[in-house]
Amino acid sequence: KAGVTQTPRYLIKTRGQQVTLSCSPISGHRSVSWYQQTPGQGLQFLFEYFSETQRNKGNFPGRFSGRQFSNSRSEMNVSTLELGDSALYLCASSSETGPQNIQYFGAGTRLSVL
Amino acid sequence: GNSVTQMEGPVTLSEEAFLTINCTYTATGYPSLFWYVQYPGEGLQLLLKATKADDKGSNKGFEATYRKETTSFHLEKGSVQVSDSAVYFCALSAPNTGNQFYFGTGTSLTVIP
Repeated sequence: KAGVTQTPRYLIKTRGQQVTLSCSPISGHRSVSWYQQTPGQGLQFLFEYFSETQRNKGNFPGRFSGRQFSNSRSEMNVSTLELGDSALYLCASSSETGPQNIQYFGAGTRLSVL
Repeated sequence: GNSVTQMEGPVTLSEEAFLTINCTYTATGYPSLFWYVQYPGEGLQLLLKATKADDKGSNKGFEATYRKETTSFHLEKGSVQVSDSAVYFCALSAPNTGNQFYFGTGTSLTVIP
């Protein structure tokens, strides 16, 4: 079974631009979560989608948005990029929802904002 | 609220030494607890988990016991190898928060031959 696939692996953008990151979950998984990882803040939860609906959202500005398609693939969009958005963005998928469920992580997309 | 406090690193050990990485948590309700490992340039991989008090998770020689009385989930390994060098994250998942995980800050481990 293929794992969680994130594309692209690396991105370089300039301030003010927008960017779209993609995540393909493990086949059969309906939940996709996104996290931002930075050296200073660690891993911070962005949002979770389950069956095309946003179920939960972290404490990030509205410039960060996402969506999920009917095949469970998810995209994350960041508009008006700032230098502080430079980070590793991780996607995780899970088969169901609830505290006992394991999340499986992709390798991440490393975004550099210049 | 929900949060995880993890031992600061970096940690450097000689091969075959004993490893302990401390993790304590604060949670509403009864969370599940996890240890994830991140190798350079990769995403997070599940190392072990425990879903209720007194459960012991174990994998690849690593162990952690869910201690409700001390709200802890310390990671241990009796004899580390060079290949265990990585960053280790303690995490919790709480009821009624969907699949949101709360992560500790991570502990970098380097094992030297």
